[in-house]
Amino acid sequence: SQTIHQWPATLVQPVGSPLSLECTVEGTSNPNLYWYRQAAGRGLQLLFYSVGIGQISSEVPQNLSASRPQDRQFILSSKKLLLSDSGFYLCAWRGITGTYPQYFGPGTRLTVL
Amino acid sequence: GDSVTQMEGPVTLSEEAFLTINCTYTATGYPSLFWYVQYPGEGLQLLLKATKADDKGSNKGFEATYRKETTSFHLEKGSVQVSDSAVYFCALFNNNDMRFGAGTRLTVKP
Repeated sequence: SQTIHQWPATLVQPVGSPLSLECTVEGTSNPNLYWYRQAAGRGLQLLFYSVGIGQISSEVPQNLSASRPQDRQFILSSKKLLLSDSGFYLCAWRGITGTYPQYFGPGTRLTVL
Repeated sequence: GDSVTQMEGPVTLSEEAFLTINCTYTATGYPSLFWYVQYPGEGLQLLLKATKADDKGSNKGFEATYRKETTSFHLEKGSVQVSDSAVYFCALFNNNDMRFGAGTRLTVKP
């Protein structure tokens, strides 16, 4: 069966510091991968998605970036965090055929102080 | 473009009450429809799905019927429990694109 991991689970970072969040998927090949952000009490905001290694599409212009160095690894990064980057970051995967739903990881709670 | 509209929350119910969370969608063609649940501090979990008109998705006592004539996919449960307290998201998948509603927070009081 497929599983999706995210780490760290929680992170507290000062403004201006770098960020690296990691997401890995097990039990599937060539998944579509997604990064979402959920601000407190708000809905989901799609940040990035990837259909393959090195292929990243950005939905929202901001100081975040994403990379997919391996088939089942998706990384969210920033060179300098802003206060507004605080939120709950969710990674998700979906199979590339059919109408599979997206499956979500446990999330990373990021607080920028 | 495609979109999903959910009833605004929060919704507060007493234990054993009947639950309805409304969801309507706008989409071309024949989308697949989903309900996700998010418990505090966790990621979203797929609750149920329906892939064509008149399909009924069900899981853990929750049900939703894909109504193409009314473009709706309302979530229902006959008797809610305190453990059902969570945020519920309606979503659609169409043309290789997934869209989520804004989420509805449900609180069930004992």
